[in-house]
Amino acid sequence: KNEVEQSPQNLTAQEGEFITINCSYSVGISALHWLQQHPGGGIVSLFMLSSGKKKHGRLIATINIQEKHSSLHITASHPRDSAVYICAVISNFGNEKLTFGTGTRLTIIP
Amino acid sequence: KAGVTQTPRYLIKTRGQQVTLSCSPISGHRSVSWYQQTPGQGLQFLFEYFSETQRNKGNFPGRFSGRQFSNSRSEMNVSTLELGDSALYLCASSLTVPYLETQYFGPGTRLLVL
Repeated sequence: KNEVEQSPQNLTAQEGEFITINCSYSVGISALHWLQQHPGGGIVSLFMLSSGKKKHGRLIATINIQEKHSSLHITASHPRDSAVYICAVISNFGNEKLTFGTGTRLTIIP
Repeated sequence: KAGVTQTPRYLIKTRGQQVTLSCSPISGHRSVSWYQQTPGQGLQFLFEYFSETQRNKGNFPGRFSGRQFSNSRSEMNVSTLELGDSALYLCASSLTVPYLETQYFGPGTRLLVL
């Protein structure tokens, strides 16, 4: 079992829909990152969370440390949001290194 | 401020050869991390350097090595290339601690091993 599980693996939605991507992890963590990867490979760091909730524009990220779960929400989705969204965690024991989920491929149809 | 740059962007090598990839971090950033991305394994952490010292290393064989120079530029080297080393290699820089602050990723080097 992977330390970091994401769901769904693939998500297709109509423009304007509210999007939720989930990330569950099995280890204690000191922080969690949400990343966005566009076709072509470039990765952008969206959020770094250790508790609570963060908002940036139409993107909202939440984390529940007790339940070992984080969600990324996109409001009023747009075709330019089409990308792979990846969560990554930093465990709070041993070496500090990012462990990545397998990603959620999001496609927004106009 | 210029972003993270990686050279070369694309590379084709044959099995048994070695390769060196370069990463120039954002000016002022002292931490550089390297990652490998393949369709089968996804993103995996290779190693992280801070002030010319390797601070963390992922679970990769000794054929994968790296270093960081005094100007924070970093190189990674893969010796005795195998077909499975074909991947997108990404580096990312951050000011100090890469996991408790935002990391800025380069565009990656796409390596194909034939």
